Amino acid sequence: DAGVTQSPTHLIKTRGQQVTLRCSPKSGHDTVSWYQQALGQGPQFIFQYYEEEERQRGNFPDRFSGHQFPNYSSELNVNALLLGDSALYLCASSLGLAGGPYTDTQYFGPGTRLTVL
Amino acid sequence: RKEVEQDPGPFNVPEGATVAFNCTYSNSASQSFFWYRQDCRKEPKLLMSVYSSGNEDGRFTAQLNRASQYISLLIRDSKLSDSATYLCVVTRYNDMRFGAGTRLTVKP
Repeated sequence: DAGVTQSPTHLIKTRGQQVTLRCSPKSGHDTVSWYQQALGQGPQFIFQYYEEEERQRGNFPDRFSGHQFPNYSSELNVNALLLGDSALYLCASSLGLAGGPYTDTQYFGPGTRLTVL
Repeated sequence: RKEVEQDPGPFNVPEGATVAFNCTYSNSASQSFFWYRQDCRKEPKLLMSVYSSGNEDGRFTAQLNRASQYISLLIRDSKLSDSATYLCVVTRYNDMRFGAGTRLTVKP
């Protein structure tokens, strides 16, 4: 049973560029959440996708956008990169619980380490 | 004030020691509570959920005090393999809020 997978593993970009990160959820999961983890900090919630729509969003600017595909995989896009965007970007998948906005336990992928120069 | 605050650490303990981590949260409407473990340069992995009644999983015991908005994790008989960063997590709906983590190093 494949777990959550993310690509690429590492990425180096320069300020002002745009980046796309990809995530495939664990088999059977339909919900994908994205987190940013700066060095020495806990993960910070960016947003969550369910049924191809952004269901909830954390305190991140509009430069951060995403998409979920019919097969439940997801992309995170960041435009106009800043030095402060350098971080580990984690994707977590879960199963949406019927009848409400909740999801079950989230499982994390290995992350994409983004360095902005 | 951060929404989830943890002991800053680091904790350096000998094998066999008992160590306790504390966490406080500010949003009284928080619904679910967890401890995650994160090894260096790896992804967080669920260690255990936390309930008001307290729950135990082998050497690990977690406790939630909703009135005080306080969560704890107790590790007994520490092993070298317990060395990691322990993240306190509080959720409301689909929004998981992580503490900054407490680093534990267990030494021989």
